[in-house]
Amino acid sequence: DTAVSQTPKYLVTQMGNDKSIKCEQNLGHDTMYWYKQDSKKFLKIMFSYNNKELIINETVPNRFSPKSPDKAHLNLHINSLELGDSAVYFCASSQGYFERGNEQFFGPGTRLTVL
Amino acid sequence: AQSVAQPEDQVNVAEGNPLTVKCTYSVSGNPYLFWYVQYPNRGLQFLLKYITGDNLVKGSYGFEAEFNKSQTSFHLKKPSALVSDSALYFCAVRDDEAAGNKLTFGGGTRVLVKP
Repeated sequence: DTAVSQTPKYLVTQMGNDKSIKCEQNLGHDTMYWYKQDSKKFLKIMFSYNNKELIINETVPNRFSPKSPDKAHLNLHINSLELGDSAVYFCASSQGYFERGNEQFFGPGTRLTVL
Repeated sequence: AQSVAQPEDQVNVAEGNPLTVKCTYSVSGNPYLFWYVQYPNRGLQFLLKYITGDNLVKGSYGFEAEFNKSQTSFHLKKPSALVSDSALYFCAVRDDEAAGNKLTFGGGTRVLVKP
């Protein structure tokens, strides 16, 4: 009955590999986000999608490519992984992109470790 | 531009004592303010928000926050802390005049409640 789910929970991989993280929300929201939390717990937005359309792209390297097949899903594909990509990646969702008072609901996170 | 600051990296408090976690913000227009809590190895959970109206906002788990426009602050408070309140707390702000719907988070404050 999870509201925002992510898979996998843990991801350990070698430098140079390509990997994907999947996110699904069953809240009926129309806006989804990807955040990166670094080792110091600093949280920064990467992307935001509204109704499958990219709205926010926060100067993230081109190696990161989000894809939203429908409103309930937002996946993150990362090419040519680097050591600096090691972090916890959180997916979130909210209702009404222009309703700025609405809170976001977060998934449990995916801990990515690049060796 | 919108920004938020949490001046304390860590707050230590004895169980049963009042808990305060500080947050100050900067926006061009009117702020939408949020508090989230993150337990170890978990995603962020929404606690409360200020959009408009009463300056004192009540939220989940007995937490409340006071919006102070003159001091541009939104401190989180709990009258009597529990050991289970030990977690990482994030303040976040959204500017109603900013383009897009970006939520900016503070650096987080770790709360340690000792028995």
